[in-house]
Amino acid sequence: DQQVKQNSPSLSVQEGRISILNCDYTNSMFDYFLWYKKYPAEGPTFLISISSIKDKNEDGRFTVFLNKSAKHLSLHIVPSQPGDSAVYFCAAHPLQGGNQFYFGTGTSLTVIP
Amino acid sequence: NAGVTQTPKFRVLKTGQSMTLLCAQDMNHEYMYWYRQDPGMGLRLIHYSVGEGTTAKGEVPDGYNVSRLKKQNFLLGLESAAPSQTSVYFCASRPSGSAYEQYFGPGTRLTVT
Repeated sequence: DQQVKQNSPSLSVQEGRISILNCDYTNSMFDYFLWYKKYPAEGPTFLISISSIKDKNEDGRFTVFLNKSAKHLSLHIVPSQPGDSAVYFCAAHPLQGGNQFYFGTGTSLTVIP
Repeated sequence: NAGVTQTPKFRVLKTGQSMTLLCAQDMNHEYMYWYRQDPGMGLRLIHYSVGEGTTAKGEVPDGYNVSRLKKQNFLLGLESAAPSQTSVYFCASRPSGSAYEQYFGPGTRLTVT
């Protein structure tokens, strides 16, 4: 059963506008969340993370929001650039019994110039 | 500093053949992971290791074995390949402690016919 879900397989956004990628999870024991970016024929690369004790973390154009009560997180990219076109995965790490990470199915973002 | 490297990059196997995928990291990381990525499934954990000489099962361990004889290397073995093991395999590593960011290799594309 998929514990981390990204319900939008794809998203298209105009250059300069905001991209919002969403992620939902079911396990309340997850305490740390990460976003990875993946280009074709490459491995994922770390983008930004957030601990469950926070509700927002910002790094340049990238901001991650966490809503624990809704078990939902989102990644905002502002302004979006063509180089941001990639597949984005969210991942979650549980507090207990947790050396494992659980990944979502990914959202393919296309930024249109 | 090569980071995480994977050998080979591509491989085609016949059903029933065996092979070993090699992952090497030069960052002195304690934790190492093997994932597979399939369309619509995201990244799923096969096996992982929390240190030299240790291994543990992930979400989808059946049909695979692993070994971590040296800290820098993590081997993934397929004893008798099946078409269901056709996938892209990613290795990742991370340091111990609260840094949960994983560093991924470029992937191995395996086709089993």
